[in-house]
Amino acid sequence: DSGVTQTPKHLITATGQRVTLRCSPRSGDLSVYWYQQSLDQGLQFLIQYYNGEERAKGNILERFSAQQFPDLHSELNLSSLELGDSALYFCASSVMESGANVLTFGAGSRLTVL
Amino acid sequence: QQQVKQSPQSLIVQKGGISIINCAYENTAFDYFPWYQQFPGKGPALLIAIRPDVSEKKEGRFTISFNKSAKQFSLHIMDSQPGDSATYFCAAFPPDKLIFGTGTRLQVFP
Repeated sequence: DSGVTQTPKHLITATGQRVTLRCSPRSGDLSVYWYQQSLDQGLQFLIQYYNGEERAKGNILERFSAQQFPDLHSELNLSSLELGDSALYFCASSVMESGANVLTFGAGSRLTVL
Repeated sequence: QQQVKQSPQSLIVQKGGISIINCAYENTAFDYFPWYQQFPGKGPALLIAIRPDVSEKKEGRFTISFNKSAKQFSLHIMDSQPGDSATYFCAAFPPDKLIFGTGTRLQVFP
């Protein structure tokens, strides 16, 4: 157990629908990162939050949004879902160790869009 | 400039052999280079990492070699074991996010 908790583990939904993925970071970690992993795209950085504020943005679609709450958990909202959104979505939290930002990943949420 | 190129895409090694995975980057602002190991159905897990002021780092059977002038780094797995069969990702940190290579699927046969 990495200490980063993601729910749900699996989610099956239909095109056009909206889903919310949830992430609880490791105790004490202030940063949360979201990544998308699909078969042909590898691990793609979506967005990072630090202590409730957006810090960095990657290739996140406008249909996707995220936020980090005061208790530091984060949610990734995916709307108007398309077949191509089917992927594993990983959350990671980080802590500075020896001057380096070390990311710890959760087990992921597998989204299947039918 | 924000890419990390990884090769090979897949690798088959016999038990006891050496597995070598290579990565290259372009952006000299990258200042932290971790390797992650991912088993099927699991999230990536940090394996070993190096800073650019060091040319080599060894942890058990795993060694990172770093060539700053060539902007390349590699992972060597000595005495590869079937339990090492996984997907390996190199990554680079350009201070605000971790950028991953495309991954190498390693299969170690007994």
